[in-house]
Amino acid sequence: NAGVTQTPKFQVLKTGQSMTLQCAQDMNHNSMYWYRQDPGMGLRLIYYSASEGTTDKGEVPNGYNVSRLNKREFSLRLESAAPSQTSVYFCASSEFGDRGNTEAFFGQGTRLTVV
Amino acid sequence: GNSVTQMEGPVTLSEEAFLTINCTYTATGYPSLFWYVQYPGEGLQLLLKATKADDKGSNKGFEATYRKETTSFHLEKGSVQVSDSAVYFCALSDSLRLIQGAQKLVFGQGTRLTINP
Repeated sequence: NAGVTQTPKFQVLKTGQSMTLQCAQDMNHNSMYWYRQDPGMGLRLIYYSASEGTTDKGEVPNGYNVSRLNKREFSLRLESAAPSQTSVYFCASSEFGDRGNTEAFFGQGTRLTVV
Repeated sequence: GNSVTQMEGPVTLSEEAFLTINCTYTATGYPSLFWYVQYPGEGLQLLLKATKADDKGSNKGFEATYRKETTSFHLEKGSVQVSDSAVYFCALSDSLRLIQGAQKLVFGQGTRLTINP
C-alpha cells in the first residue's frame, strides 16, 4: 500500500525561486494537510483541506499557497522561496470520524533547503 | 490556544531500561491525545491514542493514560529496545474545531530517544 506519497524527497532552491510540492493519497480520505517540521518546534500546520473543494489556513500559512486538485491530490506552492522556509514538509491525510478518532497518515517528507 | 509540552530531549537509555516521556497539554473542551513516532528518514506513524479521560492507549509495549485532572499523557515502556530509537511526538486533536471533519493536530516539540545496546 502506497499510503501518502510526496514528491520530491529533497530540493534545494535559491531565494526567490518558486516550486510546488506534490502530495497524493490512495486511501480515499476526505481531509489532507500540510505541516512543516523545524528543530525544537514539532510540526506546525500550514494549510489543510477538510474535503475536496475546500482549503483553509493553518497556524503558519504566510508565504504558501495550496491547491486541492481532486480528492487524491493536495499540492503546496512556494511562490518566492525564502531562507526561513528551509524545513522538512510533511503531507498527511485522514478520514472524518467522531471527535478525532481517525488516524492521520503521513508521507515521508520533503526536505527543502533555501539558500 | 491549544498547546502541547513534552519533556526536553534528547533522552539516552540503555537497553531494557524503563522509559517515561512526559507530555502535558492545554486545551479547551475534550481533545483526543496521540503519540506519534518518527524513525530516521521516515514520516510520522501513529503509536497510540486515547480519546477520553482515563482511557489507556497501548501498542508495541508502549502505554499512555489520558489524565484529565493533571492534563497529562505520559508515554511509558517497561523495557526499551535498540529498535525503539526514534523521535516521539505527543499531539492533541482540536476536537472543538472539527470544522467540516478536518482533524487538526497540535504537536509537542518532539523528544529524541536513543537506546544503547
